[in-house]
Amino acid sequence: NAGVMQNPRHLVRRRGQEARLRCSPMKGHSHVYWYRQLPEEGLKFMVYLQKENIIDESGMPKERFSAEFPKEGPSILRIQQVVRGDSAAYFCASSPGSVEAFFGQGTRLTVV
Amino acid sequence: DQQVKQNSPSLSVQEGRISILNCDYTNSMFDYFLWYKKYPAEGPTFLISISSIKDKNEDGRFTVFLNKSAKHLSLHIVPSQPGDSAVYFCAASYNTDKLIFGTGTRLQVFP
Repeated sequence: NAGVMQNPRHLVRRRGQEARLRCSPMKGHSHVYWYRQLPEEGLKFMVYLQKENIIDESGMPKERFSAEFPKEGPSILRIQQVVRGDSAAYFCASSPGSVEAFFGQGTRLTVV
Repeated sequence: DQQVKQNSPSLSVQEGRISILNCDYTNSMFDYFLWYKKYPAEGPTFLISISSIKDKNEDGRFTVFLNKSAKHLSLHIVPSQPGDSAVYFCAASYNTDKLIFGTGTRLQVFP
């Protein structure tokens, strides 16, 4: 009964490259959330997805960031043309539709 | 616009004593509140929750109290143990929507 799986755990990208972060929700969970934690800050909501639908992307930067949760496969958070300010820990959480969300271990993105 | 606030960035408590972590919110529409615990380099782990129709929920050493009129909730840990040392996040939700998190309180339990 695996938990929420995120990969990679660590990702290093040069400025201007693309970063792809993957999240496989817990079995039976159809709701996925992405959060970002900047150094010394709390968890900031980015986007809420259900299968093939973006429900709420009010926390996503308007440019360079996108997310998807296809019918098959993991949810993907994509950051194009990364900049140093994108360096953060990105957490994915899933839920079966209840309020309690279960988090993965996160992907730590470092932009050099 | 910080809708969920944890005004104490850190708390230090002796082992065996009570730890009290506080959280304030501004949105009266929130109907569900949760506490998460986070160790370094790991994801947050769900700890305990409370619905807005209750004022207290207890699970072992952990109790959450909700004061809706003051828009305030607190997490009590008693007795505190060294393994409780972590960052604790308060979160709130409205109508099973996304969770809005506070900035966290770092708890250190010393022997």
